[in-house]
Amino acid sequence: AQTVTQSQPEMSVQEAETVTLSCTYDTSESDYYLFWYKQPPSRQMILVIRQEAYKQQNATENRFSVNFQKAAKSFSLKISDSQLGDAAMYFCAFRGSNYKLTFGKGTLLTVNP
Amino acid sequence: NAGVMQNPRHLVRRRGQEARLRCSPMKGHSHVYWYRQLPEEGLKFMVYLQKENIIDESGMPKERFSAEFPKEGPSILRIQQVVRGDSAAYFCASSPTPGTSGGFPDTQYFGPGTRLTVL
Repeated sequence: AQTVTQSQPEMSVQEAETVTLSCTYDTSESDYYLFWYKQPPSRQMILVIRQEAYKQQNATENRFSVNFQKAAKSFSLKISDSQLGDAAMYFCAFRGSNYKLTFGKGTLLTVNP
Repeated sequence: NAGVMQNPRHLVRRRGQEARLRCSPMKGHSHVYWYRQLPEEGLKFMVYLQKENIIDESGMPKERFSAEFPKEGPSILRIQQVVRGDSAAYFCASSPTPGTSGGFPDTQYFGPGTRLTVL
């Protein structure tokens, strides 16, 4: 079974600074997908970024980028130029061949003005 | 293009009552997934459905819980004889069939969730 570990329960960053959230996973599959979802106080789950494991190039979406290290099974999220609206719980998720998403326990990000 | 719709957003039930949670997937999406989020935890997979078929229900409790996705209408997650431990946020997600529009087929798009409180 796959597992996803987020080792940072909480992180904080100053507005306009950069922060990196960590995620590691364990799987025996070679073809899979990784995601970061954001859950603000409204509780809505919002897709931030996705990565296909067969692609070596790291995904980017505006101020959000990932550092995907397949051999190390690491998938960290970098948020540049942090904004107050980035404050939320961030979940790392894994999708293998069986369609279901496996989530980490989340990292609560605080953005300080 | 409207996102995934869930209703009600909040549901209060007394122990022993039934809870019915509804999910309308994004337009063009034929795959529906249900997840449960307990306080201070990540989401846990419950069931994966396509129209009129349950594909994977490995995360569903064996008793009291059932799910359906009929040919017409929303997907329903039904919890019979609710207990306090069922209090949680229940999220529905949908994904498109490969080759159709509406996002990446490998990606699940979530609704706003239904917060169930059992008194």
